[in-house]
This record gives sequence, C-alpha cells and structure tokens, in this order.
Amino acid sequence: GQNIDQPTEMTATEGAIVQINCTYQTSGFNGLFWYQQHAGEAPTFLSYNVLDGLEEKGRFSSFLSRSKGYSYLLLKELQMKDSASYLCAVEAAGNKLTFGGGTRVLVKP
Amino acid sequence: ETGVTQTPRHLVMGMTNKKSLKCEQHLGHNAMYWYKQSAKKPLELMFVYSLEERVENNSVPSRFSPECPNSSHLFLHLHTLQPEDSALYLCASSQDSGGSLIEQFFGPGTRLTVL
Repeated sequence: GQNIDQPTEMTATEGAIVQINCTYQTSGFNGLFWYQQHAGEAPTFLSYNVLDGLEEKGRFSSFLSRSKGYSYLLLKELQMKDSASYLCAVEAAGNKLTFGGGTRVLVKP
Repeated sequence: ETGVTQTPRHLVMGMTNKKSLKCEQHLGHNAMYWYKQSAKKPLELMFVYSLEERVENNSVPSRFSPECPNSSHLFLHLHTLQPEDSALYLCASSQDSGGSLIEQFFGPGTRLTVL
C-alpha cells in the first residue's frame, strides 16, 4: 500500500522560513514531487527529487532522504502570495503519482 | 495557464443525469490523467491514459467512464452518480518518455456537485 503523511496546516509570518515535512511508505519509489495549489486553482509543479540531497530553486528548496522515506519543502522569505496548499506526491511506478493530503500554509503579515 | 483546459468549470447534476467532463491539452503530451480531489482527502488518481490506451483504472466505480479519442482530448462520462461523488475533478497531462520522472501539468478542474 501507499502512505504519505504531511501536516495539515502551518502558519508563518511574512519574511520568515517554513519547512513542510513529508514522510512516505510506498511500494516502489521513482521520485518525489512537490506541488503548490492555491484555493480554487490547479496544482502547479514546484520541484522533484530523485536522489538524496537538497535541490534549490530560488526561494524554494526540497530535500530527500530515500533511506528514511522523508522529504521536506523549505520556503524562504515568505510572501503573502505563498499562502496555498503544498502537496507532496510520490511516483511509485511509471507515471502514477500518489499524493499526500496537502499542507495548507497561511502567511500572516 | 498550464496548457490544460477543462470544461465545464462547475457542474451541478442530479443522481439520474448523464453528463461528461472534457479535458484538452495543448502541450503535445502523450499521457493524460483523471484525478478526484475531495474535501480533506488527498488527490486520488482515477485513470491514466498513455498513447491513448488506458493503462490504469484505480478501482473506480463503473458510473465513471473515461474516453480518450486522441492524445489531446480526454473525457469523463458520468451517470447515476451519488452525492459522495461531489468533488473537484482534475485532469493532467505529461510526456511519457518511458521510465523517467515526469512532471504532470494540471488543468483548473471541474467542481462537481451531485444533488
């Protein structure tokens, strides 16, 4: 079976840093994705990790440890527009993504 | 704009109605997907089409019937739905190159309400 866990909600202040953790237990692992979804909109791709380590992309970074079944998404210099849900998804086998429940991040002034 | 469009954006239907959701991708991709997103539940993969052939049917009830007439279009035909089928239905597409990690591009979704 597939199990992906991430916190339901997080609150942070504008300009701060927030780290969203994701743990997974899946039968197979090809890679891990992070998507951002604003309310009422489509999920949009943020990052993916195949190998262990940190991938940095501007204000957003994503980390993966395959041995621990663990990833995190780091959002730096938070802006109000970063208020959204962040979805962790694992590709366990060819082009089939299994998603976590999403973490709703609320950025306050 | 992700290059994936869905119509209608909102749909209200009775349990005895028959309706169809439409998805079109303008990205030249060869794989398309239907997902269901219910309140407080993870995105659930329903169907996968690769090169116009269905390669995944994730234990979805037969009242949902997908159709992929070509690589750019995907339909989801609905009949005799239940109120618990009310959800956001998302379409996605990707370029399946065989084995490598593939980014999926999502459409804006159809918000379905079953009365």
